[in-house]
Amino acid sequence: GAVVSQHPSRVICKSGTSVKIECRSLDFQATTMFWYRQFPKQSLMLMATSNEGSKATYEQGVEKDKFLINHASLTLSTLTVTSAHPEDSSFYICSAQVAGKEKLFFGSGTQLSVL
Amino acid sequence: KQEVTQIPAALSVPEGENLVLNCSFTDSAIYNLQWFRQDPGKGLTSLLLIQSSQREQTSGRLNASLDKSSGRSTLYIAASQPGDSATYLCAVTQGGSEKLVFGKGTKLTVNP
Repeated sequence: GAVVSQHPSRVICKSGTSVKIECRSLDFQATTMFWYRQFPKQSLMLMATSNEGSKATYEQGVEKDKFLINHASLTLSTLTVTSAHPEDSSFYICSAQVAGKEKLFFGSGTQLSVL
Repeated sequence: KQEVTQIPAALSVPEGENLVLNCSFTDSAIYNLQWFRQDPGKGLTSLLLIQSSQREQTSGRLNASLDKSSGRSTLYIAASQPGDSATYLCAVTQGGSEKLVFGKGTKLTVNP
């Protein structure tokens, strides 16, 4: 099956620093990638949707200047958490979709802890 | 605003039991419903996808049903095994949107 590789799996950073999370589709071209986050004991919540070569569409309440998403190629999307704060500590997970297909393929997630 | 609720939040059963996980959603105007499995450190795996026009889907020991009008879905797991231990997530997609709305999940533990 299709594989989505997400790195890093876990990151600890100091408050005020920026963290980049990568999401790669290894054996298929992902025309659309989705970024979710999950706070403890809460549901996965969609943060943004990105299509290759265009600007990401952010969900209400998600700051686009804080969570920078780049989808420059059909196999790579990155999420950069800028000036991270402890309240950004969460589980971030990406998913990828092939054009015209309903099935989503998820990365393994990144646990971010901001001290 | 669509809301997805999963009951129970956690479930522990002995190996071999048949079990049912429940999912309900507030807005019946869905496009499809999916059940996922979430393993620690391994992301999500799609188990079953039911289109809004379908009543059920089966894959091996798994059977998912959908009652769109009442806003409910169930995931039936037959002859449970310790390897089935994971968190099971239910998610719906609204018509015209690719956005998935997830429930909080049911954490299943199957004891040998």
